[in-house]
Amino acid sequence: QKEVEQDPGPLSVPEGAIVSLNCTYSNSAFQYFMWYRQYSRKGPELLMYTYSSGNKEDGRFTAQVDKSSKYISLFIRDSQPSDSATYLCAMSKAGANSKLTFGKGITLSVRP
Amino acid sequence: SQTIHQWPATLVQPVGSPLSLECTVEGTSNPNLYWYRQAAGRGLQLLFYSVGIGQISSEVPQNLSASRPQDRQFILSSKKLLLSDSGFYLCAWSHETGDTQYFGPGTRLTVL
Repeated sequence: QKEVEQDPGPLSVPEGAIVSLNCTYSNSAFQYFMWYRQYSRKGPELLMYTYSSGNKEDGRFTAQVDKSSKYISLFIRDSQPSDSATYLCAMSKAGANSKLTFGKGITLSVRP
Repeated sequence: SQTIHQWPATLVQPVGSPLSLECTVEGTSNPNLYWYRQAAGRGLQLLFYSVGIGQISSEVPQNLSASRPQDRQFILSSKKLLLSDSGFYLCAWSHETGDTQYFGPGTRLTVL
């Protein structure tokens, strides 16, 4: 079983839709959870960062972590064509110099 | 604010030629530095990371090497490129705690 599993996609939605992106993980030592957005031919940019279980909201984006189920989600409300990108989940353990473990990413296309 | 630079942005090299990719970070001191390769459908593969000048850890044995001659400079090298070295190379940095990484714009390498 891989440490981090992410729905492979691709995912295509109409503009204005609510998008749900998900990752599951197997290592209960993960404490920090991130979502990155990567536009085509660009480097990933940090979109959301959360620590432990709960929700975090930033504008149209909500990150949710459920440590009991080892499940994280990113919700995008009122999706826009500019949200079309690849989204990668990532997580790390506590402690200095802890490395990130990434999902493979899902490509989202928002149709005008 | 912190900024990360990578160059060149694009590179086309023949098989067997040498390689040198450079990454520099501005606006922070003693960062952790990382080299990743991203191939289509395979996600992000960590190649090397460094917690200080001259300190390099290799994650994947291959014909690539890394060096950190200065605090905020990270170099990826090869003496002889292989076709399989083609890909999108990303440099990233994190604070010493290492829980979140910030990526550069990437270098797209094509080996012919």
